[in-house]
Amino acid sequence: GAVVSQHPSWVICKSGTSVKIECRSLDFQATTMFWYRQFPKQSLMLMATSNEGSKATYEQGVEKDKFLINHASLTLSTLTVTSAHPEDSSFYICSAARDRGKTQYFGPGTRLLVL
Amino acid sequence: AQRVTQPEKLLSVFKGAPVELKCNYSYSGSPELFWYVQYSRQRLQLLLRHISRESIKGFTADLNKGETSFHLKKPFAQEEDSAMYYCALSGPPRGPGGGNKLTFGTGTQLKVEL
Repeated sequence: GAVVSQHPSWVICKSGTSVKIECRSLDFQATTMFWYRQFPKQSLMLMATSNEGSKATYEQGVEKDKFLINHASLTLSTLTVTSAHPEDSSFYICSAARDRGKTQYFGPGTRLLVL
Repeated sequence: AQRVTQPEKLLSVFKGAPVELKCNYSYSGSPELFWYVQYSRQRLQLLLRHISRESIKGFTADLNKGETSFHLKKPFAQEEDSAMYYCALSGPPRGPGGGNKLTFGTGTQLKVEL
């Protein structure tokens, strides 16, 4: 149990376009989902916390208008990278927690390359 | 502010040798700590958490509040243990949903050689 999926697994886009990444909890309801960013050979950095039915909580230094987060249901959260630029190229990972639990279950990640 | 420190980027041991991956933390409240593992080309997965006081795949970790440490140990390393290991600290709830923020260390790459 506790499987989290992400779609797409990788995406290449042109600079200036927007990219949407989906995160789904497949066999449980996730009250909270988290979005992380991971640069090569570095740790995961939390970008924002996505709460079902309410606004996301962004970490300091993360642009809300740049990284739009929507948590429309208890099984789906989306991250939209708006007007993507090459510096947004990274590995984006989501995780989900159930029942306000402290254990997070991670998705496989989405690799974004902006040309 | 909460912080997790993993001082070793790479730890190389021989098969059958003991393993200790170091983790130190800084947190003003009562900490909850986790070890996550990422095998090659796989997603991050929970290895163990201190509140469970369990042993997973032969690994154990004891929370030492005096030394603010949560080192991961295994008495005899196996080749399949080769992976990236992250220590993580659960902090206060983020937002109305109540989910807790995880702060990760920089990770230690464990390489078990034959």
